[in-house]
Amino acid sequence: TQLLEQSPQFLSIQEGENLTVYCNSSSVFSSLQWYRQEPGEGPVLLVTVVTGGEVKKLKRLTFQFGDARKDSSLHITAAQPGDTGLYLCAGLIHGSSNTGKLIFGQGTTLQVKP
Amino acid sequence: EAQVTQNPRYLITVTGKKLTVTCSQNMNHEYMSWYRQDPGLGLRQIYYSMNVEVTDKGDVPEGYKVSRKEKRNFPLILESPSPNQTSLYFCASSLLTSGGFVYEQYFGPGTRLTVT
Repeated sequence: TQLLEQSPQFLSIQEGENLTVYCNSSSVFSSLQWYRQEPGEGPVLLVTVVTGGEVKKLKRLTFQFGDARKDSSLHITAAQPGDTGLYLCAGLIHGSSNTGKLIFGQGTTLQVKP
Repeated sequence: EAQVTQNPRYLITVTGKKLTVTCSQNMNHEYMSWYRQDPGLGLRQIYYSMNVEVTDKGDVPEGYKVSRKEKRNFPLILESPSPNQTSLYFCASSLLTSGGFVYEQYFGPGTRLTVT
C-alpha cells in the first residue's frame, strides 16, 4: 500500500507566525494536490504541482514539489485566523496504470489563534 | 453554478439494510470518485470512474458498489451496510488532462452515514 505521510498532524499557533506542513512518501507522484477543508464541508483544491522542484504561490501560501517528486511542502507566512482548517495533500502515483487512483495524507489540523 | 451534489446529507440506518447515496455533477467531468473520511485516517478512496461505464477500485472498495451509467451521476451502493461503514462520505469529480490524469477535483458537501 502506498503511503503519504503528512506532518504535523496538529498545529496550534498564534496569528502572525509562519508554519510549514510536509507530505512525504517513498513513492514518486505524477502530481500532488493540496486541499483545505473546513468543518462540515468538502475539501477545496488549493493547488496542483506537477513538475519536480516546482514552486507555486497563492498569496501567503507557498507550495513546493520535491525534485524527485516524492514529497511536497506547504508554507504559510504570517498565518491568520482565517487560515484555520484541515489541510490535506493528495498524490497521483507515477507509472500506475490506475491514473485515477489518488492517495491522501492523514491531514494537518491547523488552528491559528488571534 | 458548477457543483457536486450528494444526497442524502445525513443518514442513520441499520445493519443489512441496503442503501444508495447519490452523487451528481453539472460540470461535464469525465472523472468521478468516492471517498470516506475517518478521524486520523484522512480520506480514503473507495471507487473511481474515468468515464461512463468505466469504474475501478480505490483503496477500500470492500462492501461498496458503484455504477456509472451516465456521465453526471455516480451513485454509491451499500448492499448490506455494517457498523464499520459508519463514516463521512465524499463524492468528487474532475476533468482529465490530455494525458488522462486527474488534475483538480471538486468535492461534494459530504454524506454523514451512521450504521447501527
